[in-house]
Amino acid sequence: AQSVTQLGSHVSVSEGALVLLRCNYSSSVPPYLFWYVQYPNQGLQLLLKYTTGATLVKGINGFEAEFKKSETSFHLTKPSAHMSDAAEYFCAVSAPSGGYQKVTFGIGTKLQVIP
Amino acid sequence: EPEVTQTPSHQVTQMGQEVILRCVPISNHLYFYWYRQILGQKVEFLVSFYNNEISEKSEIFDDQFSVERPDGSNFTLKIRSTKLEDSAMYFCASSEQELGTDTQYFGPGTRLTVL
Repeated sequence: AQSVTQLGSHVSVSEGALVLLRCNYSSSVPPYLFWYVQYPNQGLQLLLKYTTGATLVKGINGFEAEFKKSETSFHLTKPSAHMSDAAEYFCAVSAPSGGYQKVTFGIGTKLQVIP
Repeated sequence: EPEVTQTPSHQVTQMGQEVILRCVPISNHLYFYWYRQILGQKVEFLVSFYNNEISEKSEIFDDQFSVERPDGSNFTLKIRSTKLEDSAMYFCASSEQELGTDTQYFGPGTRLTVL
């Protein structure tokens, strides 16, 4: 079975400060990992994903995440927070159980950016 | 840019009634998914659909739920006899290829309220 743990349901940062959203996963096989963002009253938008290859992946809006197998982590970072980054962020994992069709989401982290 | 659309944006129904949530996936996509998000909780996988049949489903997707692709453009989720606990945001998603090699695109969601 696969699972995702997001540490911190709410994170507050000052505008211009580093954003770090933590995600740890559990999977019995090499996983695919995703970060999604959800703005109020909107659907889920893919920020970035890791499938194979380079462990540091870059996504949209200046976000990046690093897959660390030894730590079973996939933390999301952004060097400098912008007010428009305020949203809810979901880490997700997919692993083969008939073809990678099932995605398991974490509980989400609400990011607040303080001016 | 192509997008997944969902109708209605908000559905209110009485307990025990049948509801059909509609989705129009991106036109060249072949894989379709439903997820739900109960207020304050994480996004949960319900079902994936490919080649006119369910490819994977979660334990939530019991006999009260069904999915259908009635024509070449729509993908529907039916709940036969709604319960209070079915109140949630339901997201449709689609992908051109299998999840591992492609990205899921999510619709804006339908908020279902069961009274």
